Amino acid sequence: DVKVTQSSRYLVKRTGEKVFLECVQDMDHENMFWYRQDPGLGLRLIYFSYDVKMKEKGDIPEGYSVSREKKERFSLILESASTNQTSMYLCAHGGRETQYFGPGTRLLVL
Amino acid sequence: AQSVTQPDIHITVSEGASLELRCNYSYGATPYLFWYVQSPGQGLQLLLKYFSGDTLVQGIKGFEAEFKRSQSSFNLRKPSVHWSDAAEYFCAVAPRRDDKIIFGKGTRLHILP
Repeated sequence: DVKVTQSSRYLVKRTGEKVFLECVQDMDHENMFWYRQDPGLGLRLIYFSYDVKMKEKGDIPEGYSVSREKKERFSLILESASTNQTSMYLCAHGGRETQYFGPGTRLLVL
Repeated sequence: AQSVTQPDIHITVSEGASLELRCNYSYGATPYLFWYVQSPGQGLQLLLKYFSGDTLVQGIKGFEAEFKRSQSSFNLRKPSVHWSDAAEYFCAVAPRRDDKIIFGKGTRLHILP
């Protein structure tokens, strides 16, 4: 079974805190992705990485950064969390032929 | 710009009834096409995909989808829904030269007993 592990299922943070969301894959894929999912908006791509230390902005990168130091691990960083970043965050790996998703992290910023 | 449209935000059907979820895409060439399902509290699971060949694609859980080039559509169907099919369904496209997938906004399916 393909496994995509996200470090937390639920997270509550305060405005201004630095937040790390971690994602680990077990299939040795080059490509990894971070999406946020909001009701009525579907999935929107924040960042993706096509190799270690390589990254590219997606459609909504503002307020986020990423880190890919090892192939299996892709981290999403909220430098200073804000209430409008309250959302569901989904990590995925794969490519154009298919993507495998983690269970998601529901983040609440107070 | 590439886009994916799912015109129905919510759909309600009775258990045992047939289902069709609509998806239209806007792209110059035929992209890769997908349907994903998200059950409550879960990540996304791939139901089926179309790359080329036979335009009627079979997927998991009894779902199928038909690619119609002339209509730029990739509608998802199931002949008889079960209560466990209640979920959110996402249509997605991937341009053939790109590794990124573009998702529609989703259709939430409700099942009446």
